[in-house]
Amino acid sequence: DGGITQSPKYLFRKEGQNVTLSCEQNLNHDAMYWYRQDPGQGLRLIYYSQIVNDFQKGDIAEGYSVSREKKESFPLTVTSAQKNPTAFYLCASSIFGTPLGNEQFFGPGTRLTVL
Amino acid sequence: KQEVTQIPAALSVPEGENLVLNCSFTDSAIYNLQWFRQDPGKGLTSLLLIQSSQREQTSGRLNASLDKSSGRSTLYIAASQPGDSATYLCAVIGEDDKIIFGKGTRLHILP
Repeated sequence: DGGITQSPKYLFRKEGQNVTLSCEQNLNHDAMYWYRQDPGQGLRLIYYSQIVNDFQKGDIAEGYSVSREKKESFPLTVTSAQKNPTAFYLCASSIFGTPLGNEQFFGPGTRLTVL
Repeated sequence: KQEVTQIPAALSVPEGENLVLNCSFTDSAIYNLQWFRQDPGKGLTSLLLIQSSQREQTSGRLNASLDKSSGRSTLYIAASQPGDSATYLCAVIGEDDKIIFGKGTRLHILP
């Protein structure tokens, strides 16, 4: 089955800790994205990567970091600098390295809760 | 700055009715528009993608239209079923490569 997987489904973090969310795709897509979803708000772009070993900040990158060492993997680290990390995190991918004309496919999401 | 609005925020209709969901955007310089479905606690499922040069796209009981000049898109669902209950989101991709999502319309189909 081709698709995007995210793990874990639920994650709990103590204040001051860094945590890493996993995103893997076997669709052979060039581009990958991380979004944050809060209740009553639209999705907001955190980071995106158009090609291996390259990534760009989205609208709300502060307090987050990413890496893209392999085409199929795009992990997101939520650092202690992120002031309000409790949210639903969604990973997506698209075939080409630019969003133009690109249909986005999403993973099942990770719900992060800070205790 | 592009803004995407979906009204109403929530909608309840009896099973079997046809319905229309609305998406409006402020900047008509878009490259495409995508409609998604999201079930509670789940990721987004792509429903339809409309390129800026297209007027509509159809998939089964779903039909999405796009009017760039007026900054509007509609998602038409025919013969609604309880399984259609979900949140529907639209996303606009601008010619500046930015992707902006609406907040969604929460749809409840009454059996």
